Amino acid sequence: GAVVSQHPSRVICKSGTSVKIECRSLDFQATTMFWYRQFPKQSLMLMATSNEGSKATYEQGVEKDKFLINHASLTLSTLTVTSAHPEDSSFYICSAWDTKQPQHFGDGTRLSIL
Amino acid sequence: AQTVTQSQPEMSVQEAETVTLSCTYDTSESDYYLFWYKQPPSRQMILVIRQEAYKQQNATENRFSVNFQKAAKSFSLKISDSQLGDAAMYFCAYRSASRGSTLGRLYFGRGTQLTVWP
Repeated sequence: GAVVSQHPSRVICKSGTSVKIECRSLDFQATTMFWYRQFPKQSLMLMATSNEGSKATYEQGVEKDKFLINHASLTLSTLTVTSAHPEDSSFYICSAWDTKQPQHFGDGTRLSIL
Repeated sequence: AQTVTQSQPEMSVQEAETVTLSCTYDTSESDYYLFWYKQPPSRQMILVIRQEAYKQQNATENRFSVNFQKAAKSFSLKISDSQLGDAAMYFCAYRSASRGSTLGRLYFGRGTQLTVWP
């Protein structure tokens, strides 16, 4: 079946560091990729929708300069958390979708900012 | 925007018994998809079952089945013969079938934490 690879799975870094998270669809071309943030014991909160070759659409309240999204190809989207601070610590998860399949999720990235 | 409501933050079931998780949703659309996702402690999102709104027949996947009531906008998940490995957070989700800016977007409920007792 379709697989989405998300890397890295765990990041621990110092405050002020920028962190890049990759999301790849391995065996299909994703029309759209979605980026979510999840706090413990809560639901997934959509941060942004990313379409290949165009600017990402951010949800209200999500800082586009803080969370940079690049979707350079139909199989790769990246989320960069710029100048990360402890309040950015969270679980980030991506999903990839084409019109023929349900959404498939990456395994998530646990980000810890010290 | 579409809203999805899961009114049970927590549920528990004895191993081998049956449990039903509730989900209601609000939409003005007639064509859409509904999903149940399972998120175990590993936090991986696993698709359990999906239902197309135009299909009257309830979806079934082995021990998992749904009761889809379109008029009532209800989409409950029944887990039969519950197993310890079923313990997880379960999310109900809605996706529009219409083209537009929200194409492909999933709307999630708050989730139901299921505990399975041995």
